[in-house]
Formats: sequence, structure tokens, C-alpha cells
Amino acid sequence: AQSVTQLGSHVSVSEGALVLLRCNYSSSVPPYLFWYVQYPNQGLQLLLKYTTGATLVKGINGFEAEFKKSETSFHLTKPSAHMSDAAEYFCAVSDQIDKLIFGTGTRLQVFP
Amino acid sequence: GAVVSQHPSWVICKSGTSVKIECRSLDFQATTMFWYRQFPKQSLMLMATSNEGSKATYEQGVEKDKFLINHASLTLSTLTVTSAHPEDSSFYICSAQSDFPAYNEQFFGPGTRLTVL
Repeated sequence: AQSVTQLGSHVSVSEGALVLLRCNYSSSVPPYLFWYVQYPNQGLQLLLKYTTGATLVKGINGFEAEFKKSETSFHLTKPSAHMSDAAEYFCAVSDQIDKLIFGTGTRLQVFP
Repeated sequence: GAVVSQHPSWVICKSGTSVKIECRSLDFQATTMFWYRQFPKQSLMLMATSNEGSKATYEQGVEKDKFLINHASLTLSTLTVTSAHPEDSSFYICSAQSDFPAYNEQFFGPGTRLTVL
């Protein structure tokens, strides 16, 4: 069985500060890992994904995440937060076949 | 590319009525479509998986007679909430998956907000 844990339901940062959203996973098979962003009353937009290969994955809007197998983590980072980054972020794991298992989400607030 | 639409974007209905939500892949053929529901400030929970021309596979705890899913073509899946009640009020999101443009990646629709009075 697979699962995802997102530490911190809310994260607040100042504009220009580092963004760090934490995600730990559990999987019995080599996982595919994803980060999605959701703006209010909208669907999910893929930020980035890890399947195989390079463990540091770069995504859209300046976000990146690093797959660390030893730590079973896939934390999302962005060097400098922008006001437009305020949204809900979901980490998800897949067994490479189909189902996505989502974490409970982290709401990012960015203060001026 | 890889655009998924949902219709309607929001719907309000009376308790006891049925509501149909459409999910369309606009520029690709989706071999598999997924339906999720999301309660306020919570994560997405998978309700069912549907493959074109086959019966949907429902997750444990999801009433298949209440949430009817039809995947009649490679570009259209529908979710019908039958005899809706206030507790069915939620945000319903579909996703579509195919071998192309990205193998096994799910592309999400914008969601449908259902409010049952």
C-alpha cells in the first residue's frame, strides 16, 4: 500500500523567502512522485514529477523537488516566494500504473 | 495540449434530484478517466476509475448505485449523482490519462462544485 504524508497543513512565508513544503511517502514499489498546485475553485495543475533518473526535478514556476530514497522524501522548494505562489499544494504518489494517492495538502500563504 | 474540461463548473440542485457532470478530454483520447471528490480544505479522494467501454471500478466505500459513471467514448466520461442529498455537496474533479501526450500522466479538469439544498 502507498501513502503520502505532508507535514504542515499551513506554511507562511514572506515574499522573497525560501519556500519549503515537506512530503514523505511510503511505497512498496519504486514510486512515481508528483507535486500539484490548486488555486481556489480550480482543478489541479502539475508542478513537477519524478519517475526515474535524476533525483532533482525542476518544474514550472521556479519550483523544484528532490527525491531522496533513503529518507523517503520528496520535498518541494522554491528559492524566492512570489505572491502568486499562494495556493494549496498536494504531493502524490503513484505505483507507476494508474492510481494517484494524494497527501492532505499544504496551504501556502505569502505575505508582502 | 492535454486539456480536460468539465461541465458544468458549478451546479445547485434540490435534494432528491440527479445531477450529471461531464468530463471531456479535448485534444487527446483518454483510455482511462478518474473521478475524485474533494471536501472543503481536504485532499482529493479517488472515487472510481473508468476505462472506455468498460464498467467503472469503484473505490471501497463509494456507492456505485449512487454515483453512476459512464465512459462511452475515448473523450467523454460522465458522473451522475443520483438522488443527491446535502452530504453529497462537494467539489468533483475528473482526470484523464493516456499513453499520449504523456505516458500514464493524469490531466485534471477544473472541477465541478455541487451544492445540494
